[in-house]
Amino acid sequence: GEQVEQLPSILRVQEGSSASINCSYEDSASNYFPWYKQEPGENPKLIIDIRSNMERKQIQELIVLLDKKAKRFSLHITDTQPGDSAMYFCAASGNNNAPRFGAGTKLSVKP
Amino acid sequence: DPKIIQKPKYLVAVTGSEKILICEQYLGHNAMYWYRQSAKKPLEFMFSYSYQKLMDNQTASSRFQPQSSKKNHLDLQITALKPDDSATYFCASSQGESTEVFFGKGTRLTVV
Repeated sequence: GEQVEQLPSILRVQEGSSASINCSYEDSASNYFPWYKQEPGENPKLIIDIRSNMERKQIQELIVLLDKKAKRFSLHITDTQPGDSAMYFCAASGNNNAPRFGAGTKLSVKP
Repeated sequence: DPKIIQKPKYLVAVTGSEKILICEQYLGHNAMYWYRQSAKKPLEFMFSYSYQKLMDNQTASSRFQPQSSKKNHLDLQITALKPDDSATYFCASSQGESTEVFFGKGTRLTVV
């Protein structure tokens, strides 16, 4: 199955700054790349996704970039707030393949 | 009001015993999944079903057996439990492939 690498595993930023998380995948057939946020004790929830026919997508302070040639995609959170502190997971999936997740990034936003 | 119901929420089992984790979804989705989350392997994919048929399986051990009695049910039977099986097991569903996957609240399993 698909393998997804995610870095960094821990990310500490100052409130108001930007945070970036990078992921890479192996299967060129993957065409859907969601990002999930997980608060402690909660289930993962989708925050933004991008499909292979796009290179960039933005929802408010969230920006995702996709480089299909390099098989890399990234999440950028601009103007981070303490409420953004959580675990973030990237994933990749394609036809007939369930999403495979990266190892996660623990984001801490310090006031 | 959760649309993916997992039961029980917490489960303590003795090593060597057998347990069934229950999952029902009321989103009308045709694809259902099981994922496992532990400190060692966050969000590890286990199984995926589509229209009650096994589509993808990344669980090496036959001790883990999904069971789908209805279109919106995907239970997980675990036999000969080991302490290493301790984890939170998430059931999830989606409307087809390459679409948003919705997660249940999880069953937190502790094997002693």
